Amino acid sequence: GAVVSQHPSWVICKSGTSVKIECRSLDFQATTMFWYRQFPKQSLMLMATSNEGSKATYEQGVEKDKFLINHASLTLSTLTVTSAHPEDSSFYICSARDLRGRDEKLFFGSGTQLSVL
Amino acid sequence: AQRVTQPEKLLSVFKGAPVELKCNYSYSGSPELFWYVQYSRQRLQLLLRHISRESIKGFTADLNKGETSFHLKKPFAQEEDSAMYYCALSVHDYKLSFGAGTTVTVRA
Repeated sequence: GAVVSQHPSWVICKSGTSVKIECRSLDFQATTMFWYRQFPKQSLMLMATSNEGSKATYEQGVEKDKFLINHASLTLSTLTVTSAHPEDSSFYICSARDLRGRDEKLFFGSGTQLSVL
Repeated sequence: AQRVTQPEKLLSVFKGAPVELKCNYSYSGSPELFWYVQYSRQRLQLLLRHISRESIKGFTADLNKGETSFHLKKPFAQEEDSAMYYCALSVHDYKLSFGAGTTVTVRA
């Protein structure tokens, strides 16, 4: 199957700093990628839909100025957590939509554990 | 808004026993339903989707619109089935709403 690379796997940062997380589709072009957030022992919550060449679409309750999404190429979407605070600590997961073939699918990155001190 | 409910957080079965993971959803239209699986130290991956009507790794799931359910079943559980299972719903364009997940442990 297709491969989605997410980097970094984990990051620790100080409160007030910004952190960038990358999501790359390695062997296919992804015009659409999704960003999720997962708290311990809870479900994945969709944060936003990242669209190549246009603005991201954010879910209700997600601050777009806090979580900046850039999808500048067909294989890369980035999520920047700006002025991070301890409450932003979470597991962030991206997925990319593969439209090749008849069977459209989503492929997930391995996730990024963010810890804000 | 759509919602997915997985009532069991943990499920423990013996090897060779049947296993059923429950999933109920709420949505007034016709959603697309999925089961995703996450094995230990691996990323989330698609197990099956209702429109495919196929059996993957011995698992099947039938969409019951009357009961708004999409339960996952396997007649004979194997140890390698131990994993976290998520039921998910998509209304359009693959924007997924996930259930809380069920951790399955298959004991020898």
